[in-house]
Amino acid sequence: AQSVAQPEDQVNVAEGNPLTVKCTYSVSGNPYLFWYVQYPNRGLQFLLKYITGDNLVKGSYGFEAEFNKSQTSFHLKKPSALVSDSALYFCAVRGENRDDKIIFGKGTRLHILP
Amino acid sequence: EPEVTQTPSHQVTQMGQEVILRCVPISNHLYFYWYRQILGQKVEFLVSFYNNEISEKSEIFDDQFSVERPDGSNFTLKIRSTKLEDSAMYFCASVDRVAYEQYFGPGTRLTVT
Repeated sequence: AQSVAQPEDQVNVAEGNPLTVKCTYSVSGNPYLFWYVQYPNRGLQFLLKYITGDNLVKGSYGFEAEFNKSQTSFHLKKPSALVSDSALYFCAVRGENRDDKIIFGKGTRLHILP
Repeated sequence: EPEVTQTPSHQVTQMGQEVILRCVPISNHLYFYWYRQILGQKVEFLVSFYNNEISEKSEIFDDQFSVERPDGSNFTLKIRSTKLEDSAMYFCASVDRVAYEQYFGPGTRLTVT
């Protein structure tokens, strides 16, 4: 069965510092991996995905994520955090069948401190 | 850019009442989904729908829930007799047939009083 773990409920980072939000996954077959962001009282906004190819994936708003097959991880990163990056971040995984559902992690709340 | 839309944005209903949440997926997508998020918590899969029938449903999707694609464009989620614990944000999603990416709607906030 597919699963996603986000080990941190909350991450605090000072503005301008690099940030990392951790995610590990478990899936049979090749993983399709995603990061979504949710701002207060808003919907899910797609940030980036890994399907195949380069392990380093670049996405919206300067975010990137590194796929590590041996560690089954897909950590979200940004070189320099902005206060406006404060939000709830969800890692998600789906199987390789086109109609597979997405399984979400529990979310990590990112606080960027000015 | 095409997007998934959902109406209403917020629905308040009394316990025991029926509600219908509406979604308009992106027009050439074939697979449709409903997810639920209780406030500030994890996003949970409810049901997937393909070729006018349910492909998969979770344990949350009990007999009180049903889905329909009545006219080839709308995709609806009906809750027959709402309970307090149905209060949540409900997201609709559809899948791009090429990129396999799920596009989410903005959500409907359901409040059951």
